[in-house]
Amino acid sequence: EAGVAQSPRYKIIEKRQSVAFWCNPISGHATLYWYQQILGQGPKLLIQFQNNGVVDDSQLPKDRFSAERLKGVDSTLKIQPAKLEDSAVYLCASSLEPVQGGGSPLHFGNGTRLTVT
Amino acid sequence: DAKTTQPNSMESNEEEPVHLPCNHSTISGTDYIHWYRQLPSQGPEYVIHGLTSNVNNRMASLAIAEDRKSSTLILHRATLRDAAVYYCILTGSARQLTFGSGTQLTVLP
Repeated sequence: EAGVAQSPRYKIIEKRQSVAFWCNPISGHATLYWYQQILGQGPKLLIQFQNNGVVDDSQLPKDRFSAERLKGVDSTLKIQPAKLEDSAVYLCASSLEPVQGGGSPLHFGNGTRLTVT
Repeated sequence: DAKTTQPNSMESNEEEPVHLPCNHSTISGTDYIHWYRQLPSQGPEYVIHGLTSNVNNRMASLAIAEDRKSSTLILHRATLRDAAVYYCILTGSARQLTFGSGTQLTVLP
């Protein structure tokens, strides 16, 4: 079974520039998540999709972050404009069923490491 | 909000069993106990999960206390590749997968 694919692996941008990350979940997984992991901390959920609809975006900084999941498969996460504090690893995960049910594990990609200078 | 408590760090010798504890005294009846681990420069990896009964898979075993207020992840024979941060997380009850700070496991050769 192919895992969650993310690209790019690394990205360096200057503050106020924009950046986009791409995620391809495991085939058949209806639920997709984006997490942000700042160095030394555990991952923090940004947004959860069920198919192409948003389930939870309560922790997404909507003034600069946006995400979409067209056709219910691939997803992109965008930051515009970036700030220094956005430097982090951005992780994509998918699951067969929503995590809120309790029994469906998440499968994570290896993330995109973003450095904002 | 149901919270888990784990030691910040633990050490183990290679090829010996490791018992990683987790306390979750406010767990509700519908909460599942999930364990993930994160190796350096990788995304978190699912290890195991359970509801009430002990669980075994190819990676580890999960022992759940009878009152469900604590659990233990058991790695039967630690290898250097098991060095990682281990997260104990409660899910279910309409709750997100919320990561704490986890336990940093060091495996000594």
